Formats: sequence, C-alpha cells, structure tokens
Amino acid sequence: GAGVSQTPSNKVTEKGKYVELRCDPISGHTALYWYRQSLGQGPEFLIYFQGTGAADDSGLPNDRFFAVRPEGSVSTLKIQRTERGDSAMYLCASSPGRDAPYEQYFGPGTRLTVT
Amino acid sequence: SQKIEQNSEALNIQEGKTATLTCNYTNYSPAYLQWYRQDPGRGPVFLLLIRENEKEKRKERLKVTFDTTLKQSLFHITASQPADSATYLCALGNYGQNFVFGPGTRLSVLP
Repeated sequence: GAGVSQTPSNKVTEKGKYVELRCDPISGHTALYWYRQSLGQGPEFLIYFQGTGAADDSGLPNDRFFAVRPEGSVSTLKIQRTERGDSAMYLCASSPGRDAPYEQYFGPGTRLTVT
Repeated sequence: SQKIEQNSEALNIQEGKTATLTCNYTNYSPAYLQWYRQDPGRGPVFLLLIRENEKEKRKERLKVTFDTTLKQSLFHITASQPADSATYLCALGNYGQNFVFGPGTRLSVLP
C-alpha cells in the first residue's frame, strides 16, 4: 500500500513569504505528526493531530506556524512571514494512534529553504 | 529539561564487525524506546521497539537493550555491512505523549 507522501519535496521561498506544506498520511491512521529537522539533529516535534483536532501543538515555535487537518486525513502545515531560520527539513509521520507504542511511518519530507 | 544523547556524531567500523550505538537520557522516564534508521534526504524508518519492562529485543542482525537504571539503551548491529551505513535515531516515548528523538549517530561501515 501507499506510504506517507509529502509535497512539495523541495520548496525555495523568499524571506517574508507564505508557504504551505502538505502531508498525505497512510489511510486509516488517525494520528498525524509534524516534525522539523535541521542538519545533524533529530526530528523536533511541532504538532500532533488525533483525527481532525490538534491534540498537542506545544512544539510550534511561534504564531507564524499553523497546521490543519480538516477531514482527518490530509494535513497542511502553514508558515507565514517566513524567516531564514525556518529553513529545515519538515517531516510528517502517521500512526494508528498514540495510546500504544506504535511505530511512526514517516514521509520523505519537504526541504524548505528561505532565502 | 529532558535530554537525550547519542554516541559521538559519527562512528566508523570495519565491515563484519559489530557496531554498538548508545542512547543516554536524563530527566525522563520513558515507557518505551524505539530505534529508527534514516538515510540522507529520507524520512526515518522504524527498526525496533523495546518497552521499559524488557531488557533485550532482537531482530535478525539487530539487538537492542534497555536499562532504566542506567537510563541507557544500546543498539547493536552484528556482522555489519556497508549497506548498514546510515544515521540511527533513538526515540523515547510514553503512552499518550509525544516521542522525543535523540540527535542521531551517523554510522559508516567501511568495506
């Protein structure tokens, strides 16, 4: 079956612009996570969805970052007024839930570069 | 605050030897720990899970141990091959909470 997909694979944008990153999780997975990963670092948690609701957004760095999952499947991470420090790999992962130690299935990531 | 440390950034070993990667943590009491493999430009891929009440798990050439007293997990790859070269991440978790990932160790297996 299809795994987690993310689009675009690469995004270059100018400082101050708005970007949207998309994640299509594995069908049937209710839990969806967004992470940010800088070079040489592990994934850093941003936000977790259980179904349609953002159950935990404690990892979002500031109010320029926002994410939605309106129908409980596809999710979009939105970044307003991008800054050079936002440049990183953005990873999406899905799993059957968070109430058990399920493995997380990661997408290939979106490489964001803010110039 | 929680802190997770893995080996020095990079580990080089000769093909056929056993690679041992460490994951140490402080200020955290995980219920389980997972190990992931990440290749350059790709997302992490799950390898093994071990729970706090388990001492050791094995899967083919992989073995992981979990010592909650030492707050440490060891990840072993026996009979290593160049194809095992990748970055290996440990992730600590609790039920109903988010994973916390370590910084990773980049393993290079030399032919």
